[in-house]
Amino acid sequence: GAVVSQHPSRVICKSGTSVKIECRSLDFQATTMFWYRQFPKQSLMLMATSNEGSKATYEQGVEKDKFLINHASLTLSTLTVTSAHPEDSSFYICSARASRSGNTIYFGEGSWLTVV
Amino acid sequence: DQQVKQNSPSLSVQEGRISILNCDYTNSMFDYFLWYKKYPAEGPTFLISISSIKDKNEDGRFTVFLNKSAKHLSLHIVPSQPGDSAVYFCAASWSTGNTPLVFGKGTRLSVIA
Repeated sequence: GAVVSQHPSRVICKSGTSVKIECRSLDFQATTMFWYRQFPKQSLMLMATSNEGSKATYEQGVEKDKFLINHASLTLSTLTVTSAHPEDSSFYICSARASRSGNTIYFGEGSWLTVV
Repeated sequence: DQQVKQNSPSLSVQEGRISILNCDYTNSMFDYFLWYKKYPAEGPTFLISISSIKDKNEDGRFTVFLNKSAKHLSLHIVPSQPGDSAVYFCAASWSTGNTPLVFGKGTRLSVIA
């Protein structure tokens, strides 16, 4: 089946620094990828829709200058958390739709970010 | 405004019995529904989906039922196994175009041996 991979799975960074999270579709091309964020014991909240070759679409309340999304190829989207603060500590998950698998959306393994 | 609702935050079931997880939605434009299983600090794992043109889809121990008139779907797991213990998320989408999923808040299932 389709596979979506994220890297890194866990990262700790200092306040004020930037962190990049990669999301790759391993065996299919994804023109669109989605980035979610999950706080402990809460649901997955959509942050933005990443479109290959164009600007990402951000959900209301998500700062586009803080969460930079780049979808430079059909198999890779990156999320960069800029000037990270402790409140950015969260579980970030990407997903992509595999059209050849009945439009099922597959998720990456997730990336746990801790800002200290 | 919660478009997808899972009103039971938790459910405990004995091993071997049936687990029934429920989900309600408010947006009648949704036409594609999915169930995901999730362990802590891991990405969701796709379980089963159903299109709005069907009312039932079965895959092994997992069956999803859709009642469009009631805007309700349910996931049945039978027989339940201890390894099924996880958080289950119901999600809805539009099948056309590259639209994201809208998730419920999840139901934590505990299967007791």
